Amino acid sequence: GAGVSQSPSNKVTEKGKDVELRCDPISGHTALYWYRQSLGQGLEFLIYFQGNSAPDKSGLPSDRFSAERTGGSVSTLTIQRTQQEDSAVYLCASSLASGVTDTQYFGPGTRLTVL
Amino acid sequence: AQSVAQPEDQVNVAEGNPLTVKCTYSVSGNPYLFWYVQYPNRGLQFLLKYITGDNLVKGSYGFEAEFNKSQTSFHLKKPSALVSDSALYFCAVRPPGGSYIPTFGRGTSLIVHP
Repeated sequence: GAGVSQSPSNKVTEKGKDVELRCDPISGHTALYWYRQSLGQGLEFLIYFQGNSAPDKSGLPSDRFSAERTGGSVSTLTIQRTQQEDSAVYLCASSLASGVTDTQYFGPGTRLTVL
Repeated sequence: AQSVAQPEDQVNVAEGNPLTVKCTYSVSGNPYLFWYVQYPNRGLQFLLKYITGDNLVKGSYGFEAEFNKSQTSFHLKKPSALVSDSALYFCAVRPPGGSYIPTFGRGTSLIVHP
């Protein structure tokens, strides 16, 4: 079946502009995660959605970052007033539920470059 | 708080030789441990996980990992490396009792030489 999809695959923007990154999770998966992957830094957790519960935003690095998940499915990560340090690959993952043993399935990522 | 260490940024191995990618963890209680692989310009793909039971876990593409509680390790292994195994490998841990957000290591680049 279809996996996690993300769009766009690449995004180049100018410093100060806003960007929106989209994630389509696997159908039926209730949990959705956003991560940021910077070169040599591993995966940095950003935000987590589980069903209709309030999202866990504890990983968002600043108030320029926000995310929403509409209808328990598609999610959008928004970065306002982008800075050069925001350049990274943004990964989305989903899992069937949020149990600690549940496997996460990752999308291919969006590579963001801020000039 | 939990943590994961992948002590090697890069591992080089010749094709046909056995490979090991190391992972150690720190967590209170019995951990849940995961290995993922990332090929260039792709997202992470699940390889295997340890939840409970047999310490030797077998996963995709011929990989296996051994949970060693006394050494707090979960090293990834494969008996015979392939050039196509060249990729970035991530170890992750979730503690028991409810944290739904895994902690990932920084990744180890595996390079298999022909």
